[in-house]
Amino acid sequence: GEDVEQSLFLSVREGDSSVINCTYTDSSSTYLYWYKQEPGAGLQLLTYIFSNMDMKQDQRLTVLLNKKDKHLSLRIADTQTGDSAIYFCAEKYGGSQGNLIFGKGTKLSVKP
Amino acid sequence: EPEVTQTPSHQVTQMGQEVILRCVPISNHLYFYWYRQILGQKVEFLVSFYNNEISEKSEIFDDQFSVERPDGSNFTLKIRSTKLEDSAMYFCASSEGTGFRNQPQHFGDGTRLSIL
Repeated sequence: GEDVEQSLFLSVREGDSSVINCTYTDSSSTYLYWYKQEPGAGLQLLTYIFSNMDMKQDQRLTVLLNKKDKHLSLRIADTQTGDSAIYFCAEKYGGSQGNLIFGKGTKLSVKP
Repeated sequence: EPEVTQTPSHQVTQMGQEVILRCVPISNHLYFYWYRQILGQKVEFLVSFYNNEISEKSEIFDDQFSVERPDGSNFTLKIRSTKLEDSAMYFCASSEGTGFRNQPQHFGDGTRLSIL
């Protein structure tokens, strides 16, 4: 079946850039998303990219998509302690009417 | 900014009992979804709902599950006879649309369901 994989942990120092990586298997994905989950909270939509784009920038966030390698990354510039959270990569499964397939989430820890 | 709201935030139920999880989607959204996340595992799709009927469901969404939009604002997930393995965080989501036009799904804070 279709799958989305992420590394589970990332630790960075405050002020550094964070890069969270994701790979997916569905070549017919139309959109790919990044969601953020803070402790005790729900899934907050951060940003998304259409599959015919290779980059999207939104303030401190940069999404890079390599469609050939089915690789997606989220770069957070000038990472702050408030960015500490779990970051989920998700794809809109091309074979469905819209259900999302999620990765397991990457826990980002930002050290002061 | 409009939000998806879910109640209760935590539900504790005895095994075999029925439970109803409630959601109020964003008001102009037309598509509604339930997902669940068992502790330590991925967020998994359960069901999508549009125009008062199920659009799509996963293998997890068997006969013990049902969804309903009882009025113009609420969207509910009912689990008829709960099992221990139903313990999970249940997320409701809604979107304006679906298909090829991007209509991102917005999620609620979830209901943590604990089956004893």
